[in-house]
Amino acid sequence: KAGVTQTPRYLIKTRGQQVTLSCSPISGHRSVSWYQQTPGQGLQFLFEYFSETQRNKGNFPGRFSGRQFSNSRSEMNVSTLELGDSALYLCASSLIGQMNTEAFFGQGTRLTVV
Amino acid sequence: DQQVKQNSPSLSVQEGRISILNCDYTNSMFDYFLWYKKYPAEGPTFLISISSIKDKNEDGRFTVFLNKSAKHLSLHIVPSQPGDSAVYFCAASGSGSARQLTFGSGTQLTVLP
Repeated sequence: KAGVTQTPRYLIKTRGQQVTLSCSPISGHRSVSWYQQTPGQGLQFLFEYFSETQRNKGNFPGRFSGRQFSNSRSEMNVSTLELGDSALYLCASSLIGQMNTEAFFGQGTRLTVV
Repeated sequence: DQQVKQNSPSLSVQEGRISILNCDYTNSMFDYFLWYKKYPAEGPTFLISISSIKDKNEDGRFTVFLNKSAKHLSLHIVPSQPGDSAVYFCAASGSGSARQLTFGSGTQLTVLP
């Protein structure tokens, strides 16, 4: 069974641009969550989608948005990029959502903003 | 306000000895706790979990202990192996506003041969 797939793996953008990251969850998983990882900050929760609806949102500015499609694939968009947005963005999928079950992570997209 | 804290950013242990990684949490709504391991350039992988109705869960060399009154959990790795060298993240989830996985900042474990 294929794991969580994130594309692209690496991305370099300039300040002010926008970026879209993609995540394909494990087949059958309906919940997709996004996290930002920066050095020393651990994994910061961005948002969770379940059945095409945003079910939960972390403490990030409105420049960070996402959506989920009917096939459970999810995209995350960051507009007006700032240098501080440089991070590893991780997507995780789970079967019914993150309640007493483990989430499976993709390899992440390394975003560098210059 | 960090609801899940891993106060040791790094830990070095000799091969064959016990590794003990610690995690503290503040949110009483958390009722499920997990440990993830992360190698560089890879996503975190699930290691072991524990529900709040238990105080210990064991899986091979890995044991997680939960002390609810102290809001503290720990991961024991015995015996430690060089391949265990990675960043270990503690995570917690619960119900209501605590339903998403909340992660600690991680502890870099280095197992010395």
